[in-house]
Amino acid sequence: SAVISQKPSRDICQRGTSLTIQCQVDSQVTMMFWYRQQPGQSLTLIATANQGSEATYESGFVIDKFPISRPNLTFSTLTVSNMSPEDSSIYLCSARGVQGPMNTEAFFGQGTRLTVV
Amino acid sequence: DQQVKQNSPSLSVQEGRISILNCDYTNSMFDYFLWYKKYPAEGPTFLISISSIKDKNEDGRFTVFLNKSAKHLSLHIVPSQPGDSAVYFCAAELAGRRALTFGSGTRLQVQP
Repeated sequence: SAVISQKPSRDICQRGTSLTIQCQVDSQVTMMFWYRQQPGQSLTLIATANQGSEATYESGFVIDKFPISRPNLTFSTLTVSNMSPEDSSIYLCSARGVQGPMNTEAFFGQGTRLTVV
Repeated sequence: DQQVKQNSPSLSVQEGRISILNCDYTNSMFDYFLWYKKYPAEGPTFLISISSIKDKNEDGRFTVFLNKSAKHLSLHIVPSQPGDSAVYFCAAELAGRRALTFGSGTRLQVQP
């Protein structure tokens, strides 16, 4: 299994500012992801964080708004840039390995609850 | 276009009875399915999974059934306990992609 530490756990930010969320995994994993859960909705994949290269973004998400870094196998950051109230969500870091049997689950951090005022 | 659907936003059952949570999907390329439980202020916690080559997987009180022809899976919890009260998410994986597509969740309330 893997333990994922995510911080901050919550923040209240002014519109127009940026927030960087950090994600630390306690073991080396191959894949890291960032998800968003808007109020009352499901988890939506923002991007796959690639080690040492640009993240792979899903449709509707762009690098200028959600820059992502992954300098090594165990650490990643997500920045929410130029925030507006519509960015108020829970942001979740996830990690997953590709070794072992196919039935390997994805692990999640506790999430960052962001409120933009 | 929601590819994974959980049509019941909430479910209430009595302690000791069976809880059945349902999930439907539209993409026939999904080949791996997972169930997660989520408590408030916590990240999702993995419960159980099933490969598309199987139709049933059991782990203690939790059993997942997969009906590929109907593109439907269900999670059975027997017996239900008050500690099972949480939001349950169904998730699906495209072959080799590793990222997950989630349903909207079902809030389960187990009454003592």
